Amino acid sequence: AQSVAQPEDQVNVAEGNPLTVKCTYSVSGNPYLFWYVQYPNRGLQFLLKYITGDNLVKGSYGFEAEFNKSQTSFHLKKPSALVSDSALYFCAVRANYGQNFVFGPGTRLSVLP
Amino acid sequence: NAGVTQTPKFQVLKTGQSMTLQCAQDMNHEYMSWYRQDPGMGLRLIHYSVGAGITDQGEVPNGYNVSRSTTEDFPLRLLSAAPSQTSVYFCASTPGTGVSGNTIYFGEGSWLTVV
Repeated sequence: AQSVAQPEDQVNVAEGNPLTVKCTYSVSGNPYLFWYVQYPNRGLQFLLKYITGDNLVKGSYGFEAEFNKSQTSFHLKKPSALVSDSALYFCAVRANYGQNFVFGPGTRLSVLP
Repeated sequence: NAGVTQTPKFQVLKTGQSMTLQCAQDMNHEYMSWYRQDPGMGLRLIHYSVGAGITDQGEVPNGYNVSRSTTEDFPLRLLSAAPSQTSVYFCASTPGTGVSGNTIYFGEGSWLTVV
């Protein structure tokens, strides 16, 4: 069975500092990994995905994520955080043979001015 | 581009009432799904459909029905609302089935309160 863990409920970071939101996964076979962001009272928006190839994936709004197969991780990163990055972030995995996405519980990111 | 459209955005129901959350997508996506979002639990899959006329249960299907008579529409029915169904509901769609690299597109959400 597929599963996703986001070990931190909340991440606080000062504006201008680098940020990391952690994600680990469990899946049989090759994983397809995704990050989504949710702003208050809105639906989830796609940020980036890893399908194959380069382990460092670049996405929207300056975010990137690094796929680490040995550690089964897909951490989201940004070199310099903005106050506007404050939101709820979800990691998701999809098995290469299946169709359903499995989402983590979400991590709330607060960027402090 | 409309994308995935959900209605209503907000609804208050009394225990035992029934209602339907509407969902429509205009992207000709084969795969559609309904999730509920509860604090600390992420998104949990309720029902999904891989194409018109085909539906299946997800992780938390009890108390909900779906149908998929057209590619565009995927309504979610609450048969007899219970307070445990107070949640935020998201409809989503994905292009193609069995193409795992495709991303998922979400509606704006429906906030449901059952009193």
